[in-house]
Amino acid sequence: QSALTQPRSVSGSPGQSVTISCTGTSSDVGGYNYVSWYQQHPGKAPKVMIYDVTERPSGVPDRFSGSKSGNTASLTISGLQAEDEADYYCCSWAGNSLIFGGGTKVTVL
Amino acid sequence: EVQLVESGGGLVQPGESVRLSCAASGFAFSSYRMHWVRQAPGKGLVWVSLIHADGSTNHADSVRGRFTISRDNAKNTVYLQMNSLRGEDTAVYYCARDAYGLSYWGQGTLVTVSS
Repeated sequence: QSALTQPRSVSGSPGQSVTISCTGTSSDVGGYNYVSWYQQHPGKAPKVMIYDVTERPSGVPDRFSGSKSGNTASLTISGLQAEDEADYYCCSWAGNSLIFGGGTKVTVL
Repeated sequence: EVQLVESGGGLVQPGESVRLSCAASGFAFSSYRMHWVRQAPGKGLVWVSLIHADGSTNHADSVRGRFTISRDNAKNTVYLQMNSLRGEDTAVYYCARDAYGLSYWGQGTLVTVSS
């Protein structure tokens, strides 16, 4: 199964908003409300930022939000901060398996 | 406090085998689905295997028939038996707990497959 499709990079200035898309198929993103997003800083383990498409774990700033339309999910970071610079991965349930996106590098200008 | 600690990685030759372990603590291990996810150097996250609370399993096509995930609820540990290793299996291997997304991850263990 091919990886979910994410842009390789996005960038924004502090305080701006950026949106990362994640495109799959009706067998994964479009078929289940189980899309999650992970932030990974260099040399660190991933950290869940959004689960079940729109839910935010305790401790994750409300600047992070998720949505989905059809086979495409999105992560929006509002009010971009320097510490948000990292790699971001989407992930979807795909019927007794998981599938990740290729990852997006977010750069804070 | 939830903790996941992987071990067992190292340098192995192509064709050899290695077993990774992930010791869990701080939660009711037997009730949770667990995953192995890997990340090749400089590359993205790739799902490898999962094991449900009832012990049923699934593996990615790229490792099916070579890797086997298992769990020992008495030891609060999930394993990944990796056979017939190839260079493309070189990666950091993470275990992760599945609840509200992959909510907890270990620190990862590096497996390097090289002669």
